[in-house]
Amino acid sequence: KAGVTQTPRYLIKTRGQQVTLSCSPISGHRSVSWYQQTPGQGLQFLFEYFSETQRNKGNFPGRFSGRQFSNSRSEMNVSTLELGDSALYLCASRPTGGIDEQYFGPGTRLTVT
Amino acid sequence: GENVEQHPSTLSVQEGDSAVIKCTYSDSASNYFPWYKQELGKRPQLIIDIRSNVGEKKDQRIAVTLNKTAKHFSLHITETQPEDSAVYFCAGGRGGSNYKLTFGKGTLLTVNP
Repeated sequence: KAGVTQTPRYLIKTRGQQVTLSCSPISGHRSVSWYQQTPGQGLQFLFEYFSETQRNKGNFPGRFSGRQFSNSRSEMNVSTLELGDSALYLCASRPTGGIDEQYFGPGTRLTVT
Repeated sequence: GENVEQHPSTLSVQEGDSAVIKCTYSDSASNYFPWYKQELGKRPQLIIDIRSNVGEKKDQRIAVTLNKTAKHFSLHITETQPEDSAVYFCAGGRGGSNYKLTFGKGTLLTVNP
């Protein structure tokens, strides 16, 4: 099976702009979680989607949002970008059905200038 | 919410020695504790996990122990090899339909040949 894929891999934006990141899970996986990774804060949970519904959310401002489509692909949107949003954004998928192991994508490196 | 602390932040060992990384968690309702290995520029990869109903789990040179009473869990790597050099993250949280993981800040393990 193909692994988790994320597009784009690299992105440069300016403050105030918005950005949309995409994640395609492993075939058959219905849960997608998003994480922000920074050198200072490590890996921080943003939210989890299952069957097009957000089931859980981390402690991030409302500028961070997401959605999931019927084919389990997920998008994450950040509006009004701030310099502090520069990070590696990782998504991870898991099959559910009692299975908790999740598999990460390669990430999208977002730089806000 | 859950708080996961990880120690040490850096660890240097000689090839063939053992390495131990320790984590503590705060939420007694947490029931799933995975460990991830992240090599430079790569995605985090699950190396081993343990659930709250198990005290120890081993997979070749890697083992994880969990002490629910003390709320701590540890990763043990025996007979370390240079290719074990990476950043290791512990995580704790809830599996299943209320899936949410909190990650430790990571341990940079360097195995010197």
